[in-house]
Parts: sequence; C-alpha cells; structure tokens
Amino acid sequence: AQSVTQLDSHVSVSEGTPVLLRCNYSSSYSPSLFWYVQHPNKGLQLLLKYTSAATLVKGINGFEAEFKKSETSFHLTKPSAHMSDAAEYFCVVTPEGSSNTGKLIFGQGTTLQVKP
Amino acid sequence: EPEVTQTPSHQVTQMGQEVILRCVPISNHLYFYWYRQILGQKVEFLVSFYNNEISEKSEIFDDQFSVERPDGSNFTLKIRSTKLEDSAMYFCASSVLGGRGEAEQFFGPGTRLTVL
Repeated sequence: AQSVTQLDSHVSVSEGTPVLLRCNYSSSYSPSLFWYVQHPNKGLQLLLKYTSAATLVKGINGFEAEFKKSETSFHLTKPSAHMSDAAEYFCVVTPEGSSNTGKLIFGQGTTLQVKP
Repeated sequence: EPEVTQTPSHQVTQMGQEVILRCVPISNHLYFYWYRQILGQKVEFLVSFYNNEISEKSEIFDDQFSVERPDGSNFTLKIRSTKLEDSAMYFCASSVLGGRGEAEQFFGPGTRLTVL
C-alpha cells in the first residue's frame, strides 16, 4: 500500500537560511506526490505537485521539490526562509490502481518554525 | 478568490448525539471530500463524493457516517451517534476534476469536533 513518511516532525530554521523538509514515499509505481501547507486557522493549501513530468517541481512562494525515484524521496526545499513560511507542511501521495476518486494519503506533517 | 468554507469552526457535543458538519465547496467544483485529523495523528481520508453518490469511502466511514449534498451548494457530513473517538478536526475539500493528481483539492479551514 502507498504511504508517505515525513522524517521530521519539527524543523526550526533562522530567517534567511535554507529550508529542507524531508519526505519518503512507498509505492510500487511512479506515484503522484504533493506538498500541502497549513497556516494556523486556514485550510490546507497546495504548494506543488509531481505527476511524472519534470522531476524538479517548482511551487508557490519559492518552494520546490525534487522527485528521486532511486531514493524514493520527495523533499521540499526553499533557499531562504521567511517568517511567513512558519506553518505545518504535509507530504501527500495518491493511491495506485484504477481508482480515480482523488483520495489523498497524508504524511504525519512537519511543523516549520522560523526564528528571526 | 473562491474558497471552501466550513461551519461551525468548533462543535462540542455529548457522546451519543448526532452532529452535522457543514461545508460550502467552491461553486464550479464537482468532486467533494471529507478528511479528518485526530490530534497528533495523520490526516485521514474519509469519503469522496461525485454526482450525488459516494465514490469511495475508507474503513473509518462506517454506518454512523453519512454525507449529503442537500441543495447544490452545501456538502454535509453527519455522524449519527458520536463516540469519544470521533473527536478530531474534520476537513472538507473540493476539486473541479477527480482522479490521480488530476486536479488540486481545495481545503476548508476545518471543524474541530469535541465529543464529551
């Protein structure tokens, strides 16, 4: 069965330094992968998605992620953190198979803290 | 910018009572979803809904749960007889299209359900 594992429950960086949020997936096939962000009292917002096109995916707010099949990873990065990046981040995969209902499978989430 | 809205933001109920969580999806969207997140755990898929019927449901979505689109704008989740373990944040989502990675799901801010 498909799953995603976010390797860090909490990441703390200083403003202006790089961000790395790690995600590994488990899938027999090339999956569709996403990163969603949740700011306090807001809904989950799509940052970026990978659907078997380019392996380096650029998203909103300067975030990007690289799909590495050999490492079964889809880590999220940003060159320079901003205070407004402080939020909960979720790595997400869609199931394999013929089902086309759009069900999403979430990782545990990583809380990003940005210090001034 | 269109957004998914959910009411109430927080619902407190007694065990055994019925609750209805309400969502207003984005107006031109055709696919609707409910997810939940128990405190400290992953966001879990509950159900997907299209063309006035359930497309897929998880094993969590037992006979105590039901969904409805009563009037073409609202999308509701009903829990007939709440249990303590139903306490969670419930997220509604909608998308224009369904399918693996085909379309972004737009999430509401969630309803926090507390069962006493």
